[in-house]
Amino acid sequence: EAGVAQSPRYKIIEKRQSVAFWCNPISGHATLYWYQQILGQGPKLLIQFQNNGVVDDSQLPKDRFSAERLKGVDSTLKIQPAKLEDSAVYLCASSLDLKRGPIPFFGPGTRLTVL
Amino acid sequence: DQQVKQNSPSLSVQEGRISILNCDYTNSMFDYFLWYKKYPAEGPTFLISISSIKDKNEDGRFTVFLNKSAKHLSLHIVPSQPGDSAVYFCAASDPGTYKYIFGTGTRLKVLA
Repeated sequence: EAGVAQSPRYKIIEKRQSVAFWCNPISGHATLYWYQQILGQGPKLLIQFQNNGVVDDSQLPKDRFSAERLKGVDSTLKIQPAKLEDSAVYLCASSLDLKRGPIPFFGPGTRLTVL
Repeated sequence: DQQVKQNSPSLSVQEGRISILNCDYTNSMFDYFLWYKKYPAEGPTFLISISSIKDKNEDGRFTVFLNKSAKHLSLHIVPSQPGDSAVYFCAASDPGTYKYIFGTGTRLKVLA
């Protein structure tokens, strides 16, 4: 079974530029998560989708971050404009559904460096 | 406000001995807990889970213990192997949203 795919793996941009990340979840997984992991910290949930609807985006900085999940499968996360503090690893994960105890399976992440 | 805490940033253990990684949480409503292992440049890999209705779950060399009264869980690895060297994260599920909150991680080093 193929895992969660993410691209690109690495990205370096200047502050105030925009950037987009792509995620393809495990086939059949209804729930998709985007996490931000800053160096030395645990992953922090940015947004959670159930199919193509948003379940939770309470920690998404909506003035600069946006995410969509087209047709309930692939997802993109965009940052516009980027700030220095956005430097982090952006992790995408997916799980089967929102029943009690779903287990998110993670992709390899995208390491973003904002200069 | 850190709801899930891993107070030991690092741990070193001899190969063959037991590794014990600890995790504390503040919200008594959390009802499902996960442990992940993370190697550099890779995403976290799921290890083992435990529901709040249990106090122990075992899978091979990995055992997770849950003490609800103390709001504490621990991961035991027996015997520890050099390949277990990684950062370990615990995560707790908020039953209202099924949102997982992660701890800050513990870096385990298993010495050969």
